[in-house]
Amino acid sequence: EVQLLESGGGLVQPGGSLRLSCAASGFTFTSYAMSWVRRAPGKGLEWVSTISGSGASTFYADSVKGRFTISRDSSKNTLYLQMNSLRADDTAVYYCASPKSESYSRPFDYWGQGTLVTVSS
Amino acid sequence: DIVMTQSPDSLAVSLGERATINCKSSQSVLYSSNNKNYLAWYQQKPGQPPKLLIYWASSRESGVPDRFSGSGSGTDFTLTISSLQAEDVAVYYCQQYYGTPPHTFGPGTKVDIK
Repeated sequence: EVQLLESGGGLVQPGGSLRLSCAASGFTFTSYAMSWVRRAPGKGLEWVSTISGSGASTFYADSVKGRFTISRDSSKNTLYLQMNSLRADDTAVYYCASPKSESYSRPFDYWGQGTLVTVSS
Repeated sequence: DIVMTQSPDSLAVSLGERATINCKSSQSVLYSSNNKNYLAWYQQKPGQPPKLLIYWASSRESGVPDRFSGSGSGTDFTLTISSLQAEDVAVYYCQQYYGTPPHTFGPGTKVDIK
């Protein structure tokens, strides 16, 4: 059974940093592209970032480009999102998600339960 | 980037009645070489992560009730719930996954019971 378990969320001041983790199990970690998707309070889903199975290719939404960094550690079966220069509008539940494929061009079959990030002074 | 729009923003349907949600992409998500539409539908209930319902615009994910169906091609798509059940109250999102990211979502449609 595929499981994705996020952690690392919390309260952070504007301008601060946070690192989210997503522990994956139940599949060959390097075989699947992985992504982060967020949902701000009262708003819809927003794709944030994607990383290839090998980690060689990364993609970012314009809203986070230059501030967030996606990475993965195959030895730990873990996906990360390093978030710097956080702003109030980054407040959201962050989900890790994956297609049943190494290809980016697939829908998200698997989702974690999410971790809440609150940016506030 | 491909922009996704949905209509309506919300709808209320009586139990057992049909619910129809529309999704439009700013450019075609039909890949001519394989004739597949790179369009998915998700359901999100309060406090839960999204759940994949439909992919390739009209293929139902395993375990999804057959009252859910997807249709459309190119830039215009529809999700239909043929007979609304109480457990279908949720927000529904379309998403395009054409080419390399960004793979954008629509703004969502909230479905309630009338």
